[in-house]
Amino acid sequence: AQSVTQLDSQVPVFEEAPVELRCNYSSSVSVYLFWYVQYPNQGLQLLLKYLSGSTLVKGINGFEAEFNKSQTSFHLRKPSVHISDTAEYFCAVSLTNDYKLSFGAGTTVTVRA
Amino acid sequence: EAQVTQNPRYLITVTGKKLTVTCSQNMNHEYMSWYRQDPGLGLRQIYYSMNVEVTDKGDVPEGYKVSRKEKRNFPLILESPSPNQTSLYFCASSFAGNGELFFGEGSRLTVL
Repeated sequence: AQSVTQLDSQVPVFEEAPVELRCNYSSSVSVYLFWYVQYPNQGLQLLLKYLSGSTLVKGINGFEAEFNKSQTSFHLRKPSVHISDTAEYFCAVSLTNDYKLSFGAGTTVTVRA
Repeated sequence: EAQVTQNPRYLITVTGKKLTVTCSQNMNHEYMSWYRQDPGLGLRQIYYSMNVEVTDKGDVPEGYKVSRKEKRNFPLILESPSPNQTSLYFCASSFAGNGELFFGEGSRLTVL
């Protein structure tokens, strides 16, 4: 079975600074990878996904992530954050031949002025 | 507007009093799923359904039931709620379970 580890539970960051959220997964077979964002008091929405092809994936709101198969990682980055990026971010993985999506524990990003 | 609608959004109940949380999607998605979100644990899957009349257990199915009689609806039933089911619940749907889930806004349940 696949699993996901998000290495940071909380990431405080100043406005306009870069941010990186780390995600590692474990699986012996091919996977699909996702990042979801949850703004306060809302449901989750998809930020970006990796299914195949280019390992650098661009998503909404200026976020991007890089799939590294050798390190089994899928880290999320943004070069310059805004106050509105304050949210909880979830990394998720599924096997390519399975419907089940497994989520990490989440990383809370707090952007300060 | 494409959406997943859950009701109720907030509910306080007592131990043992049966309740149902409804979920409806208007995107003609085959796949629907229920998750619970607890601090430090992320989202854990309760049950999922790949199509009408097809349901299966997720990681934490104990104490819950579901049904999928129509494609658009996927209610979550707590026959005899207990305090350890106090949580934030999310319904989600997608085409063919491809991981691109659309989530409802969540239902916060408190069991006293």
